[in-house]
Amino acid sequence: QKEVEQDPGPLSVPEGAIVSLNCTYSNSAFQYFMWYRQYSRKGPELLMYTYSSGNKEDGRFTAQVDKSSKYISLFIRDSQPSDSATYLCAMSLMDSSYKLIFGSGTRLLVRP
Amino acid sequence: SQTIHQWPATLVQPVGSPLSLECTVEGTSNPNLYWYRQAAGRGLQLLFYSVGIGQISSEVPQNLSASRPQDRQFILSSKKLLLSDSGFYLCAWKSSGNTIYFGEGSWLTVV
Repeated sequence: QKEVEQDPGPLSVPEGAIVSLNCTYSNSAFQYFMWYRQYSRKGPELLMYTYSSGNKEDGRFTAQVDKSSKYISLFIRDSQPSDSATYLCAMSLMDSSYKLIFGSGTRLLVRP
Repeated sequence: SQTIHQWPATLVQPVGSPLSLECTVEGTSNPNLYWYRQAAGRGLQLLFYSVGIGQISSEVPQNLSASRPQDRQFILSSKKLLLSDSGFYLCAWKSSGNTIYFGEGSWLTVV
């Protein structure tokens, strides 16, 4: 079993839709959760990060963490064609290494 | 502001040839540094990380090695490349705020 599971998609939605991207994890010791966006042939770009359970909002993006269920989500409101990319969840133990364990990524396509 | 530079951006190397990918970070001191590899359509796999000069931790036994000769320089090397070493190699650094940022990556094709 992978430490972090993420549906690879692709997920295709019309412009303006609300998008929900999800990851589950098995290690309850993970303390730090991040979402990255990656365009084709580019390095990942950090979108959101959070330490705690609950919601964190930044513009059209909301990150949600449920540590009791070991489940994290990223919501994108009013999705745009420019949001078309691969979205990667990542998490860390917050030890001295802060090394991130990644999901496999979900490919999102927002249709005009 | 902090920036990360990674080069070369693209390279095609024959099997059995050596490899050197370089990464430097500007605008910070003593950052944690990381090398990840991403196979086509896959997530990121951590290869090496370093918490300081000369300190290298290997996550995956393989044909690669890493070195950190200076505080903000991280190098990924191989003496003899294998076909399976092809992929997208990403360098990353950890900020004081515990966020991790990636470079633009190096595309390696071993032929």
